[in-house]
Amino acid sequence: AQSVAQPEDQVNVAEGNPLTVKCTYSVSGNPYLFWYVQYPNRGLQFLLKYITGDNLVKGSYGFEAEFNKSQTSFHLKKPSALVSDSALYFCAVRSRGNNLFFGTGTRLTVIP
Amino acid sequence: EAGVTQFPSHSVIEKGQTVTLRCDPISGHDNLYWYRRVMGKEIKFLLHFVKESKQDESGMPNNRFLAERTGGTYSTLKVQPAELEDSGVYFCASSQGWNRGLRTEAFFGQGTRLTVV
Repeated sequence: AQSVAQPEDQVNVAEGNPLTVKCTYSVSGNPYLFWYVQYPNRGLQFLLKYITGDNLVKGSYGFEAEFNKSQTSFHLKKPSALVSDSALYFCAVRSRGNNLFFGTGTRLTVIP
Repeated sequence: EAGVTQFPSHSVIEKGQTVTLRCDPISGHDNLYWYRRVMGKEIKFLLHFVKESKQDESGMPNNRFLAERTGGTYSTLKVQPAELEDSGVYFCASSQGWNRGLRTEAFFGQGTRLTVV
């Protein structure tokens, strides 16, 4: 069975500082991992995905995520946070049937 | 190119009433998904269409929920009769399916916020 855990409901970071949003997963077989972001009054937007290949995946808006098989983690990172990055972030893993299993979401607040 | 669009953006109905949510996927996307997020919880899969066929409806909560995708274009999700626990944000997503041997990612709509009072 597939599942995703986002241990932090809320992450606060000062503008310009690096940010990390944590995600761990549980899957049988190879993991297909995703990050989505939801800005206020907007739909979920695809940020990046890991299917295979390099463990460091680069995505939209300067975000990247590191796939760590031994720790079963897929943390989202950005070297320098912007106020406009404040949003709700969801980690997800894809099932064999192609639907997504999401985490509960992490609200990121970047403080000016 | 238009993205996934959902109507209405908000709906407030009384317990026992019927509500129909609509999703227009990206043109040409055969795969259409419905998801739901209850307040503060994870986004949960409801069902998956491939064209007009239901590929997987294992996430549908009960028989008060009916999804259709006539003609393989837009989809509707009807809740009848609505209960308080049906409140939440209903997301629709679509995807092409395959591109160069890899499954493509899903694109989501802005969601419909349903409140049952």
